[in-house]
Amino acid sequence: EVQLVESGGGLVQPGGSLTLSCAASGFTFSDYWMHWVRQAPGKGLVWVSRINADGSTITYADSVKGRFTISRDNAKNTVYLQMNSLRAEDTAVYYCTRPDRYKFDYWGQGIVVTVSS
Amino acid sequence: QSALTQPASVSGSPGQSITISCTGTNSDIGAYNYVSWYQQHPGQAPKLMIYEVSNRPSGVSNRFSGSKSGNTASLTISGLQAEDEADYYCSSYTSGSTTYVFGTGTKVSVL
Repeated sequence: EVQLVESGGGLVQPGGSLTLSCAASGFTFSDYWMHWVRQAPGKGLVWVSRINADGSTITYADSVKGRFTISRDNAKNTVYLQMNSLRAEDTAVYYCTRPDRYKFDYWGQGIVVTVSS
Repeated sequence: QSALTQPASVSGSPGQSITISCTGTNSDIGAYNYVSWYQQHPGQAPKLMIYEVSNRPSGVSNRFSGSKSGNTASLTISGLQAEDEADYYCSSYTSGSTTYVFGTGTKVSVL
């Protein structure tokens, strides 16, 4: 059974940093791209970032470029999202998701990140 | 990259059919047959309902169907049931810098 479990969320002050983790199981992690998608309170889904299977290709949404860093450890079956210079508008539930041929067929349960003083 | 445009809400009575539209551009929906639809109940993660415009994953009811014409994709729910009440999001691969774009979301209410 495919499972994606996010961790590392919480409350952080504006300008602060936080690193999210997503532990994967039930599939060959090193064969798949991994993505992060977020959802602000009461708002829609927004794509954030992606990383390819070996970590050599990375893309970010313009809203997080230069502040967020995605990475992965295939030995630990884990993808990370390091978030720096956090702003109030980064407050959201963050989901890691696994794409398979251009569709997101598995999602984590989501982790809450709150940026507030 | 702007979000795909969906109606904010759609409602119907049990047993009726409803259709949700999703309008993009010729850089996303119009360019690729990689349109997906996701159902999200409150407090839960999104669930894939339709992929590649009109394909249903195993386990998804055949009451859900998808189509596309030009820059607009559509999700139809037939035989509306109480458990279909949820938020629905479309998504498309895009040639833009974001690579994937989601819709604004549609709240489906069962009257």
